[in-house]
This record gives sequence, structure tokens and C-alpha cells, in this order.
Amino acid sequence: AQSVSQHNHHVILSEAASLELGCNYSYGGTVNLFWYVQYPGQHLQLLLKYFSGDPLVKGIKGFEAEFIKSKFSFNLRKPSVQWSDTAEYFCAVMLNAGNNRKLIWGLGTSLAVNP
Amino acid sequence: GAGVSQSPSNKVTEKGKDVELRCDPISGHTALYWYRQSLGQGLEFLIYFQGNSAPDKSGLPSDRFSAERTGGSVSTLTIQRTQQEDSAVYLCASSFKETQYFGPGTRLLVL
Repeated sequence: AQSVSQHNHHVILSEAASLELGCNYSYGGTVNLFWYVQYPGQHLQLLLKYFSGDPLVKGIKGFEAEFIKSKFSFNLRKPSVQWSDTAEYFCAVMLNAGNNRKLIWGLGTSLAVNP
Repeated sequence: GAGVSQSPSNKVTEKGKDVELRCDPISGHTALYWYRQSLGQGLEFLIYFQGNSAPDKSGLPSDRFSAERTGGSVSTLTIQRTQQEDSAVYLCASSFKETQYFGPGTRLLVL
């Protein structure tokens, strides 16, 4: 069965530190890849997405992610985090098979940024 | 409204009662998805609508769960004879160009 794995469950950083959150998926076919963020008390928001083309994608708030097909990975990065980046981050994969574009989710990574 | 809305935002019910959760998608979005977010289990797909039809109900955990969508817009998720394990946040998303936009969710607590 297809699955998404996020390696870090809880991350604690100080402001200005660099961030990298790992995401790997298991599916041999074509995929669309997403990172969503959930700030405290808010709903899920799209951070960035990859469908095709340049494997390095840039999202909102200075986030970027790199799709490495050979490693089945889509890691999220930010060079310098801020306190306001404290949130839950979810990696999700959409299989390009059939009409159902359901998302398969990782378990999420809780990021706490200390001021 | 500008985004996906869901109601109620919170629901507390007693075991055995039926509950109905509502989702108002973004206008013009033809695809609609329901997910459930449980503690320690992440988000899991429940059901998908394309227009008013539900081609994929494979994620519904039991026959106590059902959903419908009318007029290609509002969707309701119904849970009959609720059980404590149904306690979770139920999320709705509407989709445009293969990107899903989420509502705030309904937090369901079954006592």
C-alpha cells in the first residue's frame, strides 16, 4: 500500500536556525506532492506543491522543497526560521492514477521555534 | 465565502446518537473530499465526490458512515450510532486544478 513517511515527529529550533523536514513516499508511479501547514488554532493551509518541471519548488513564507525522484523524497527546507513558523507540517502525496485525487498523508511534524 | 466552511465547529454527542456534519465548498469547485484526523493516526481519506456522485467511498470505516452531496455544492457526512472511536476532527476539502483547500474541520467528541 502507498504510504508517506515523515521522519521527524517533533523538532525544536531557535530562531534563525535552518530547517529541513524529511518526507518519503512509497509509490512507483507519477505523483503530485504537497506540504501543508497548520498553525495553532488554524486550519490546514497549502505551503507549496510540486506537479512537474523544476524539482525545486518555492512556497509561501520562504519555504522551499526539493523533489528527488530517485529517492522518493520531497523534503521541506527554510534557511532561517522564525517564531511564527511554529506549527504542524504535513507532507501529502496525490497519486496520478484514476479520477480520485485523494491525498495520502504523513503523520506530521510538530515544529516549535523558540524566540 | 472565500474559503471552505464546515459546521458545527465542535460537536459533543453521546455514544449511540447520530450526528451530521456539513461542508460548504468553495464555489465552483467540483471535487470534494472528506478526511478524518485522529490523534496519533494522521489524516485518513474517507470519501470523494465528483459533482454529486461519490465514485470512491473506500475510506468510510464502516456502514455507519455515509455522505451525500447535493447541487454539486454542500455535502453532509452522517455518522449513525456513534462510537467513542469516532471521536476525531473531520475535515472537508474542495479541489481546483488538483489542489485541495481545507475547511477548519469539525471536532467530534463521542462520550
